[in-house]
Amino acid sequence: DADVTQTPRNRITKTGKRIMLECSQTKGHDRMYWYRQDPGLGLRLIYYSFDVKDINKGEISDGYSVSRQAQAKFSLSLESAIPNQTALYFCATSWGASNQPQHFGDGTRLSIL
Amino acid sequence: DAKTTQPTSMDCAEGRAANLPCNHSTISGNEYVYWYRQIHSQGPQYIIHGLKNNETNEMASLIITEDRKSSTLILPHATLRDTAVYYCIVRLFSGNTPLVFGKGTRLSVIA
Repeated sequence: DADVTQTPRNRITKTGKRIMLECSQTKGHDRMYWYRQDPGLGLRLIYYSFDVKDINKGEISDGYSVSRQAQAKFSLSLESAIPNQTALYFCATSWGASNQPQHFGDGTRLSIL
Repeated sequence: DAKTTQPTSMDCAEGRAANLPCNHSTISGNEYVYWYRQIHSQGPQYIIHGLKNNETNEMASLIITEDRKSSTLILPHATLRDTAVYYCIVRLFSGNTPLVFGKGTRLSVIA
């Protein structure tokens, strides 16, 4: 979905490095989410934000932090990357109305050596 | 959110209808059923959702049983491009709980 843009699309880095994944959206949605996906598994929620002043931990937030710089931007940081954080990362957005679906970006493939 | 149960994999002949089942026997009255799919390693794509009534859009139909304990996603004329992992998810009406993805069903459309 081109309305949800993730950068970078691919990243290879070393253990211990700080990494930031960016997500921006042009859909005007108030809610944004970060998920990770490991091979053969479904997506797991890392963090989510219902508006600029709201940040919530998801299922697997340890080792990650987020920043909601504006309604349209939500970044995910790995302060000190470790190899088991190697995964596919997805950003999603949704409109705040009760039953609206989420729209996903194309993902960032992160490899930590 | 209630848990869902889906078959691990299914095959479907190209041009035929693909019927993907989902059990959600503990669903509560204020939970919607959502379907997403993920083609290869792309971002999940929303397909359809419903509460009680059957729903249809340009992509698929969603049939929910009267007791709401199960549902079926129907792709009326499957094409090779419909090969993907399909996720059935239940979620509270309030929308204040995020989606919880299981392992889904891997649908292979065969020529």
